[in-house]
Amino acid sequence: QKEVEQNSGPLSVPEGAIASLNCTYSDRGSQSFFWYRQYSGKSPELIMFIYSNGDKEDGRFTAQLNKASQYVSLLIRDSQPSDSATYLCAVNNYGQNFVFGPGTRLSVLP
Amino acid sequence: NAGVTQTPKFRILKIGQSMTLQCTQDMNHNYMYWYRQDPGMGLKLIYYSVGAGITDKGEVPNGYNVSRSTTEDFPLRLELAAPSQTSVYFCASSSKDTQYFGPGTRLTVL
Repeated sequence: QKEVEQNSGPLSVPEGAIASLNCTYSDRGSQSFFWYRQYSGKSPELIMFIYSNGDKEDGRFTAQLNKASQYVSLLIRDSQPSDSATYLCAVNNYGQNFVFGPGTRLSVLP
Repeated sequence: NAGVTQTPKFRILKIGQSMTLQCTQDMNHNYMYWYRQDPGMGLKLIYYSVGAGITDKGEVPNGYNVSRSTTEDFPLRLELAAPSQTSVYFCASSSKDTQYFGPGTRLTVL
């Protein structure tokens, strides 16, 4: 059973701080990694994807991948109250099957 | 460009009733998916399709059926609704490695 694990949270950070969200996966054959944001009652929306070891930055968001440790993270700099949502980690291996983690709920406090 | 559309948005069923959740995408994607999301949980894959005429089971297929007669449409059928099928259902399609989600259908079985 391929698994993706995340801390369920809630993770609370003050406005302006860095939020760090973590994800581990069990399948070493996993090829690509995704972070989705889901507001309450809404559908998931893609924030970032990463394929290679290292960091990938997009605005206030940085995804970090370490395939040896089977670990992927998402950093949100200068966190805003509008970043309060559930963040889903997803992993794709060999084809188009996506396995989702349970999500981490982030709360950014004004 | 509508993306992925789903109907209905909400539905209440009685135990034993049947219904079809509709999903349509206009992005000419070959891959389409059905997920369910229970409260506070991640996404569980029900069925997926790699192209017209080809479908396969995901993690939680029991109680559901699908068909894929065209590239655009991927309906999900519930034959004998049970309270355990109360959930939010998301349809998605994917291009390369990126999934695009519909707005979801909130289903309650009483």
